[in-house]
Amino acid sequence: AQTVTQSQPEMSVQEAETVTLSCTYDTSESDYYLFWYKQPPSRQMILVIRQEAYKQQNATENRFSVNFQKAAKSFSLKISDSQLGDAAMYFCAYRSAQGGSEKLVFGKGTKLTVNP
Amino acid sequence: NAGVMQNPRHLVRRRGQEARLRCSPMKGHSHVYWYRQLPEEGLKFMVYLQKENIIDESGMPKERFSAEFPKEGPSILRIQQVVRGDSAAYFCASSSTRLAGTDTQYFGPGTRLTVL
Repeated sequence: AQTVTQSQPEMSVQEAETVTLSCTYDTSESDYYLFWYKQPPSRQMILVIRQEAYKQQNATENRFSVNFQKAAKSFSLKISDSQLGDAAMYFCAYRSAQGGSEKLVFGKGTKLTVNP
Repeated sequence: NAGVMQNPRHLVRRRGQEARLRCSPMKGHSHVYWYRQLPEEGLKFMVYLQKENIIDESGMPKERFSAEFPKEGPSILRIQQVVRGDSAAYFCASSSTRLAGTDTQYFGPGTRLTVL
């Protein structure tokens, strides 16, 4: 079974600075998807960024980018120019690309605090 | 375009009562997923449904829990004879197809179940 590990329960960053959240995963599959979701205090789960394993290019969405290292099974999230609204729980998630395996496997999350 | 809708947002039940949680997927989405989030934990997959079919219920407890997604109407997660350990946030997600790039799961705001 696949597992996702987020080794940083909490992180903090100064407003306007850059922070990197770590995520590693374990799988024997070669094709899969990886996601970062944000959960603010409202508890709504919001998709931040998505990466297909077959793509070598790292995904980028505005101030959010990933460092995808397939061989190392690492998928870190970099937040540039941090804003107060970025404060939230961040969850890394894995999904198999095999048919019938639609479920997302989540890590336990990293709580990000943004200091003004 | 309305997002995934869940109701109620908060539900309080006494031990032994039944809890019914509803989920209306995004317009055009025919795949529904239910996840449970215990305090201080990531989300755990429970069940994946398409219209009138349960595709994967590998994360569903064997007793007291059931789910359906009828041809008409919302998906329902039903918990019979609730116990205190069922207290959690229950999230529903939906997606459109299984084609790469179009099957991202979008989450509803969740239902927070409290069992007294």
